[in-house]
Amino acid sequence: GAVVSQHPSRVICKSGTSVKIECRSLDFQATTMFWYRQFPKQSLMLMATSNEGSKATYEQGVEKDKFLINHASLTLSTLTVTSAHPEDSSFYICSAFGGRNYGYTFGSGTRLTVV
Amino acid sequence: SQQGEEDPQALSIQEGENATMNCSYKTSINNLQWYRQNSGRGLVHLILIRSNEREKHSGRLRVTLDTSKKSSSLLITASRAADTASYFCATAAGGGADGLTFGKGTHLIIQP
Repeated sequence: GAVVSQHPSRVICKSGTSVKIECRSLDFQATTMFWYRQFPKQSLMLMATSNEGSKATYEQGVEKDKFLINHASLTLSTLTVTSAHPEDSSFYICSAFGGRNYGYTFGSGTRLTVV
Repeated sequence: SQQGEEDPQALSIQEGENATMNCSYKTSINNLQWYRQNSGRGLVHLILIRSNEREKHSGRLRVTLDTSKKSSSLLITASRAADTASYFCATAAGGGADGLTFGKGTHLIIQP
């Protein structure tokens, strides 16, 4: 079946630093990847849609300069949280869309803690 | 925008009983999906039902969809302790390359 690998699974960083999260589709090509954020005991909220070779589309209220998304290949998308602050602490999950055959496959998530 | 409201928000039942979760949504959809999330983990896709389908089965799962009421239900029969998790419905407006809109989720606890 389709597998999406997301790294790191956990990261603790100091306030003001940047953190990069990687999302890879291992056995299929994903023209579109999605990034979600989930606060404790809440649902997933779509942050942005990432298309290979083009700029990401951000949802309303999500700062594109703070959450940099790069989708350089059909199997890799990265999310960089720049100048992280404690309020950015959250669970970030990526999803890759592999067409009708593979549908949506989710990564295992990254727990970001900013101290 | 957030749409999709599950109820109940939390459900605790005895092992072996059936668990029913409901989901409502607000806009037109192409399909509706149900996912399971174990604590602190990623999402596992359970089942997808298309807008032109009314019911679908997969093992111990049964999903219904009522597009006139913009609602869906997930039934887990003969529940097991391993079914303890949060369950989310998610809708897709388009044919595939749109992000999913998730409901608030139902936290299911199966008591052994």
